[in-house]
Amino acid sequence: DGGITQSPKYLFRKEGQNVTLSCEQNLNHDAMYWYRQDPGQGLRLIYYSQIVNDFQKGDIAEGYSVSREKKESFPLTVTSAQKNPTAFYLCASYTGGMNTEAFFGQGTRLTVV
Amino acid sequence: AQKITQTQPGMFVQEKEAVTLDCTYDTSDPSYGLFWYKQPSSGEMIFLIYQGSYDQQNATEGRYSLNFQKARKSANLVISASQLGDSAMYFCAMRPNTGNQFYFGTGTSLTVIP
Repeated sequence: DGGITQSPKYLFRKEGQNVTLSCEQNLNHDAMYWYRQDPGQGLRLIYYSQIVNDFQKGDIAEGYSVSREKKESFPLTVTSAQKNPTAFYLCASYTGGMNTEAFFGQGTRLTVV
Repeated sequence: AQKITQTQPGMFVQEKEAVTLDCTYDTSDPSYGLFWYKQPSSGEMIFLIYQGSYDQQNATEGRYSLNFQKARKSANLVISASQLGDSAMYFCAMRPNTGNQFYFGTGTSLTVIP
């Protein structure tokens, strides 16, 4: 079955450590996105990529980094520069069609301990 | 600037009744798509319904319908015959057709009461 896989589902990080969240899709979608979700704030865009080896900052990119070396993969690294990284992270992909929706992974809940 | 506004942080509805979740949007793009997603407590985002800005008729998908009023820039979700399983967060989103970005509202938490 086609879809988006995020791993791990739960992640714990010590302060000062970098951590990488995985996102893989087998939908052959060109565009991929990372969103952060905090209670009461909806989904906020961190980074997005419309094509391999290219990505753009979203509204809250500070303290995060991404790569897009393969069409299927769009990992997100939460660096120690991100001051408040505890949140729910959602990865999405989109085919680029006019009337098609974004598809989402199951999410990763990151907690800083 | 693109903006989605959902003014209802929380809503309650009696089982089997209909409920309307409000969404207004702001965009200068003449062509755009509007989406509703459901997020249960598990966290996954489930696509519910889509409305294109040039669609003449309101979209419907089973118990979901979208009340689209273009002049008022509103795209309200109507859920008919509510079920206990409808209890979840609901997000309105917009994608201008000039780009590939999706813009989300802050969501509405719906609770269905037996």
